[in-house]
Amino acid sequence: DAGVIQSPRHEVTEMGQEVTLRCKPISGHNSLFWYRQTMMRGLELLIYFNNNVPIDDSGMPEDRFSAKMPNASFSTLKIQPSEPRDSAVYFCASTSGGSGANVLTFGAGSRLTVL
Amino acid sequence: KQEVTQIPAALSVPEGENLVLNCSFTDSAIYNLQWFRQDPGKGLTSLLLIQSSQREQTSGRLNASLDKSSGRSTLYIAASQPGDSATYLCAVIMTGNQFYFGTGTSLTVIP
Repeated sequence: DAGVIQSPRHEVTEMGQEVTLRCKPISGHNSLFWYRQTMMRGLELLIYFNNNVPIDDSGMPEDRFSAKMPNASFSTLKIQPSEPRDSAVYFCASTSGGSGANVLTFGAGSRLTVL
Repeated sequence: KQEVTQIPAALSVPEGENLVLNCSFTDSAIYNLQWFRQDPGKGLTSLLLIQSSQREQTSGRLNASLDKSSGRSTLYIAASQPGDSATYLCAVIMTGNQFYFGTGTSLTVIP
């Protein structure tokens, strides 16, 4: 298995531009998470999907952030318009089941820099 | 709300030493607990998953223990090596797939 695949690995953009981050979870995993990691705040949960349905989006900072999971093998996190404070590493993670009984597997992350 | 604490934030040890990393949590009604390793610029790699009914899990030189009643977990690393240098994070898992992460312990093993 190729693991959780994220793209792009690095993104540098200017304030006000739209950013789209992509994630392919491990085949057979039905739970998907988007996290953001910064030095100041550590790892923060943005949104959690189970069976392609958003279950918890309370961590999404504001309306500028949106996430979709159109099918079991693909998810996107979009920021529009982007701001310098959105600079962070964004991780996607997946697991099977909806109860936390199984290992959570992370992707390599997408490092976003907003100038 | 569950709060997860890892102390110390950083630890430096000479190669070959045995060491213990600590993870404490405020709500003992956890489902599972998972330990991760993160290398600089990389994602998190799962090391061990302990079910709430278990008291410990072992993988190679790593041993993780769980004491739900006292709200603590420890990760024991035997015979540390420079390759063990990384940040170690614990995650407490509550029902409904809620993961609560600690801020991690940055470990440096000096050759």
